[in-house]
Amino acid sequence: GAGVSQSPRYKVTKRGQDVALRCDPISGHVSLYWYRQALGQGPEFLTYFNYEAQQDKSGLPNDRFSAERPEGSISTLTIQRTEQRDSAMYRCASTPGGPSYEQYFGPGTRLTVT
Amino acid sequence: AQTVTQSQPEMSVQEAETVTLSCTYDTSESDYYLFWYKQPPSRQMILVIRQEAYKQQNATENRFSVNFQKAAKSFSLKISDSQLGDAAMYFCAYRSEGAGNMLTFGGGTRLMVKP
Repeated sequence: GAGVSQSPRYKVTKRGQDVALRCDPISGHVSLYWYRQALGQGPEFLTYFNYEAQQDKSGLPNDRFSAERPEGSISTLTIQRTEQRDSAMYRCASTPGGPSYEQYFGPGTRLTVT
Repeated sequence: AQTVTQSQPEMSVQEAETVTLSCTYDTSESDYYLFWYKQPPSRQMILVIRQEAYKQQNATENRFSVNFQKAAKSFSLKISDSQLGDAAMYFCAYRSEGAGNMLTFGGGTRLMVKP
């Protein structure tokens, strides 16, 4: 079956612009996670959802970052007024739910802010 | 908060030899999960192996095995009969049994395999 998909795969934007990154999880997966990975580092947690409810947003760096999952399926991570320090790989992962399940990662969106 | 540390930024191994990647973590929890992920040049995240903390037996997956030392909070990955395709970044990760279940990753170890 289809895995986790993300779009766009690459995004180049100018500083100050808003960007929206999309994640399409595996069908039926309850939980959806967003991570950010800087070059040469491990991924860092941003936020996660169970169904449509945002359960934890403690990893969002500041209020320019927001996420939603309005129908409990596709999720969008939005970064307003982008800055160069926002440049990174943004990954999402989905899981059927519960700690015993593997998180399935998407291919990521590489964001470059110029 | 949990932390995961990988003290080896880079490792090198000869093809067909064995290599061990180190990982330590800090937690006050007794129930949790530990993982090793592989990230090849394509930058996909591939699960290599997982270990449940309540299991005393070390996990194995073909050429990959772990040495899980709960008291020492150590979780190393051993790759036997190394192959050129094993060259990648390897990340150790922790996940709580409790609410959230987000992954906490280490900084990664770059593994190079010499022919």
